[in-house]
Amino acid sequence: DADVTQTPRNRITKTGKRIMLECSQTKGHDRMYWYRQDPGLGLRLIYYSFDVKDINKGEISDGYSVSRQAQAKFSLSLESAIPNQTALYFCATSDLLASGGNEQFFGPGTRLTVL
Amino acid sequence: GNSVTQMEGPVTLSEEAFLTINCTYTATGYPSLFWYVQYPGEGLQLLLKATKADDKGSNKGFEATYRKETTSFHLEKGSVQVSDSAVYFCALSLSSSNTGKLIFGQGTTLQVKP
Repeated sequence: DADVTQTPRNRITKTGKRIMLECSQTKGHDRMYWYRQDPGLGLRLIYYSFDVKDINKGEISDGYSVSRQAQAKFSLSLESAIPNQTALYFCATSDLLASGGNEQFFGPGTRLTVL
Repeated sequence: GNSVTQMEGPVTLSEEAFLTINCTYTATGYPSLFWYVQYPGEGLQLLLKATKADDKGSNKGFEATYRKETTSFHLEKGSVQVSDSAVYFCALSLSSSNTGKLIFGQGTTLQVKP
């Protein structure tokens, strides 16, 4: 079984709809992250969380919100989707206590299309 | 600010050719450096890493050396295979910030032809 899972894997929605992307991990890591990937721009950080009570904005948080329901679950919501939020979204985890310079482990991604 | 710059792709090579993908960075303090690979339809996987100057990361025939004097972390492989076709991302993490955040380059697509 995959250590970091994301649901759904693909989603097509319309402008103005509310969308939730979910991420679960079995790695026991405390830190979780949401990124979006756009062609030619690499990955950009949306939000990150160090534990259930600690949520932080990344570089492109406008238009997004998150919820850390448990150590293993971190959801990303688009309250009112717009077409320029069409992208590939990745969840990632890392272990605060691990050595090796903040290695992150990624889920398979969710491809979101907003029409 | 902190940033990572990679050579633009796509890079197209024949099987068994030598690969170099350039990566340079700008960072305050002493970052850790990473190469991640994204195979078609999949998420990112860590390929190799280096946490201090002059360290060499290696995995699956790929190598990269952390060069502080040139602020570079170029990825190399002596003989590529078709199965190496993927998108490669260079990234850095600032250990001093304790946030664990990664800053990514824009990615370089590698296509290896038989």
